[in-house]
Amino acid sequence: DGGITQSPKYLFRKEGQNVTLSCEQNLNHDAMYWYRQDPGQGLRLIYYSQIVNDFQKGDIAEGYSVSREKKESFPLTVTSAQKNPTAFYLCASTAWGGTEAFFGQGTRLTVV
Amino acid sequence: KQEVTQIPAALSVPEGENLVLNCSFTDSAIYNLQWFRQDPGKGLTSLLLIQSSQREQTSGRLNASLDKSSGRSTLYIAASQPGDSATYLCAVRRGGADGLTFGKGTHLIIQP
Repeated sequence: DGGITQSPKYLFRKEGQNVTLSCEQNLNHDAMYWYRQDPGQGLRLIYYSQIVNDFQKGDIAEGYSVSREKKESFPLTVTSAQKNPTAFYLCASTAWGGTEAFFGQGTRLTVV
Repeated sequence: KQEVTQIPAALSVPEGENLVLNCSFTDSAIYNLQWFRQDPGKGLTSLLLIQSSQREQTSGRLNASLDKSSGRSTLYIAASQPGDSATYLCAVRRGGADGLTFGKGTHLIIQP
């Protein structure tokens, strides 16, 4: 079945650590996105990528980094510069031209 | 900057009722609008996508309308069921290459 796979489902980070969240899609979609969801707030865009080896900052990119070395993969690194990383992170993809967006099941990151 | 508002924030109704969820956006220059469902702790499931040139879309018991000039969309759910209980999110895309801007959602409870 085609879809988006995020891993791990739960992730715990110590203060000062960098952690990487995985996002893989087998929908042959060109564009991929990372969003952050906090309780009581709408989803906010972190980074997005339209093609391999190219990506753009979203509304809240500070403290995060991404790479797009393969069409299928768009990992997100939460760096130690992100002061409040505890949140639910969601990855999405769309075909070229911004059609229907599909989402993964999310990764819940907690700072311990 | 685009802002998306969803009203009401929460809604509880008895099973079998028809109901309407509202979404408004401040910038009418949108590419498309998408309605999602989110169950607790899960990712987003796409319900309906309306392109900017369309007025409505239907899928089963769901009907979404779009009035781009007034910046409004509604999601109509017919003959509600307990399984419809979830948070419903509205999101707009400004351009084909852009990410989505989300509302904070409507938390819906259908009482058996």
